[in-house]
Amino acid sequence: GAGVSQSPSNKVTEKGKDVELRCDPISGHTALYWYRQSLGQGLEFLIYFQGNSAPDKSGLPSDRFSAERTGGSVSTLTIQRTQQEDSAVYLCASSPTSGSNNEQFFGPGTRLTVL
Amino acid sequence: KNQVEQSPQSLIILEGKNCTLQCNYTVSPFSNLRWYKQDTGRGPVSLTIMTFSENTKSNGRYTATLDADTKQSSLHITASQLSDSASYICVVIPSIGAGSYQLTFGKGTKLSVIP
Repeated sequence: GAGVSQSPSNKVTEKGKDVELRCDPISGHTALYWYRQSLGQGLEFLIYFQGNSAPDKSGLPSDRFSAERTGGSVSTLTIQRTQQEDSAVYLCASSPTSGSNNEQFFGPGTRLTVL
Repeated sequence: KNQVEQSPQSLIILEGKNCTLQCNYTVSPFSNLRWYKQDTGRGPVSLTIMTFSENTKSNGRYTATLDADTKQSSLHITASQLSDSASYICVVIPSIGAGSYQLTFGKGTKLSVIP
């Protein structure tokens, strides 16, 4: 079956522009997660969705970052007025539920470069 | 602050040799510890999942160990293959209810297997 997919795979943008990153989770997975992986750093939690609601947005680094999920499926991470420090790989993961023993399945990521 | 420290940062070994990667953590209490393999340009893929009560878990040529008393885990790779070249990430999941989805990631060990 299909795994988690993300688009685009690569995105180069100019400082100050807005970008949208898309995540298609595994069908039927109710939990969805966004992470950021900066060069030489571990994955950093950004936001978690259970269904369409986001009970935990604590990882979003600033108010320029927002995310939504519709129909309990596709999620979009939006970064407004991008800055060079936003350059990173943005990973999406999904799991059947949000329990601690549920394995998270990761997508291939979107590599964002802000010039 | 919960932390996961991995060593070494990078490792080069000859094809066919064995190696051991280390993970020290301070996350407490925790529900389970996972090792992920991340190929270049791909998302992390789970290798092993261990609960706090398990001491060892194998997946083919990969064997993970856990010492909950010393808060240490290791990943042993036997008879390495070129395809083992990747980053190996140690991930600890806390057991505190609502935050149990907040995985804490190490920065990973970059393994290079050479002919």
